[in-house]
Amino acid sequence: NAGVTQTPKFQVLKTGQSMTLQCAQDMNHEYMSWYRQDPGMGLRLIHYSVGAGITDQGEVPNGYNVSRSTTEDFPLRLLSAAPSQTSVYFCASSSQGRVGQPQHFGDGTRLSIL
Amino acid sequence: SQQGEEDPQALSIQEGENATMNCSYKTSINNLQWYRQNSGRGLVHLILIRSNEREKHSGRLRVTLDTSKKSSSLLITASRAADTASYFCATDDGTSYGKLTFGQGTILTVHP
Repeated sequence: NAGVTQTPKFQVLKTGQSMTLQCAQDMNHEYMSWYRQDPGMGLRLIHYSVGAGITDQGEVPNGYNVSRSTTEDFPLRLLSAAPSQTSVYFCASSSQGRVGQPQHFGDGTRLSIL
Repeated sequence: SQQGEEDPQALSIQEGENATMNCSYKTSINNLQWYRQNSGRGLVHLILIRSNEREKHSGRLRVTLDTSKKSSSLLITASRAADTASYFCATDDGTSYGKLTFGQGTILTVHP
């Protein structure tokens, strides 16, 4: 059971370039989310999805787009990379429920914007 | 903005000692969770405590929750070098989406 898989693990971009961070889960989880982790800041929610075709913004959505066409996949798109987006990005998934569910995290994508 | 504030920011102990980390939060919560993050890896769920619970145990972990003080603590007993990691608290806002708001974390180093 692979859990949550993120690709790539590392990426270096130039300012203005675009790219897509991939996230896939094989646990049939309804809820998926993207966080960024910066030193001293903990994790901050970028976007989340409660099911295929449904997405919403988190705390820091500017500069990022998401879509959810299948239950398994939740890609994060950087439209025009900026140095402020240098960070470690984590994807997470959980089964949706009224009581908070533990989230399963991928191992992250380390992104540097030059 | 960060819901949780963790204390201390860093903790260094010897193997066999107990480690206590604290988390304070600002708004009402439905649940509070603790996660561990090993260097270079994703977060791993440790334990969840609901707002109507005061204490919960899981192996060498003990979590307490005081909703009147908006605080929680994580105790790791008989620490091992393998417990070296960052530990984060995360609060649940009570909606069906289960969005989590994370604290800044405590870096725990256990010396053999």
